[in-house]
Amino acid sequence: SYELTQPLSVSVALGQTARISCGGSNIGSKNVHWYQQKPGQAPVLVVYRNANRPSGIPERFSGSNSGNTATLTISRAQAGDEADYYCQVWDSSTAVFGGGTKLTVL
Amino acid sequence: EVQLVESGGGLVQPGGSLRLSCAASGFTFSRYSMNWVRQAPGRGLEWVSFTSTTSRFIYYADSLKGRFTISRDNAKNSLYLQMNSLRAEDTAVYYCARSEGELELLTWGQGTLVTVSS
Repeated sequence: SYELTQPLSVSVALGQTARISCGGSNIGSKNVHWYQQKPGQAPVLVVYRNANRPSGIPERFSGSNSGNTATLTISRAQAGDEADYYCQVWDSSTAVFGGGTKLTVL
Repeated sequence: EVQLVESGGGLVQPGGSLRLSCAASGFTFSRYSMNWVRQAPGRGLEWVSFTSTTSRFIYYADSLKGRFTISRDNAKNSLYLQMNSLRAEDTAVYYCARSEGELELLTWGQGTLVTVSS
C-alpha cells in the first residue's frame, strides 16, 4: 500500500517561512492535497491539487510537488497557523493521509 | 450555507454495531461523491470509505476487512456508515466529507465520537 511520510514536527519563528514535506514514491505524479487541523476542530483544506488554494485561504499558503516530495509552504507565519497539517493523495482507489506534522510558531 | 452534520455516535460494546448518519444541506447532495474519515484520540486522520454520486463506485480502507458499509440516500440528502463487529481500535471521531473535482475533501462535518468499550 502507498505510504506518505511527514516530519512529526516543524518549528518556525513568527513572520518567517515554514516548509512541511510529504514524501512518497513518485508522489510528483499524483495530486497532493493539504489540510490544516486545529485542536478540537475538523480539518480544513488549505491546498489542493498540489498548488491551488481554496477560496478564503490566504496567499501565504502555497504548495509544490515534484519527484518524491511534496511541500507545503507557509510564508510570514502567524500564531494562528499553529496546527497539525496533513498531506493526502489517492492511490488505487484509496485515499491516503500522511501521519501529520505539528507546526509550532515560536 | 454548505453544511454536513454527523450523528449516531456513542458508546458501544466490543462486537457491537452502530450506524452513523451525515445530513447534508446547502448543496445538491446527489452531485457529489462522499467520504468517511476517522481520527482516533491523539492520532492522525484515517480515510475509511468513499461512495460515488450514485453509489456505483464504493471503496473501503483495507484495514476495515468488510466490517463497515457505506451507503447514501440522495432523496434524503444523507450519507450513512454501518459499522459491525466493532473493536476498541475503532474508537475515533468519525467525519463525513464531500469530495470535489480532484477528490480533495473541501467540506467536512464537525464529527461524531464513537467509543468502543466494555
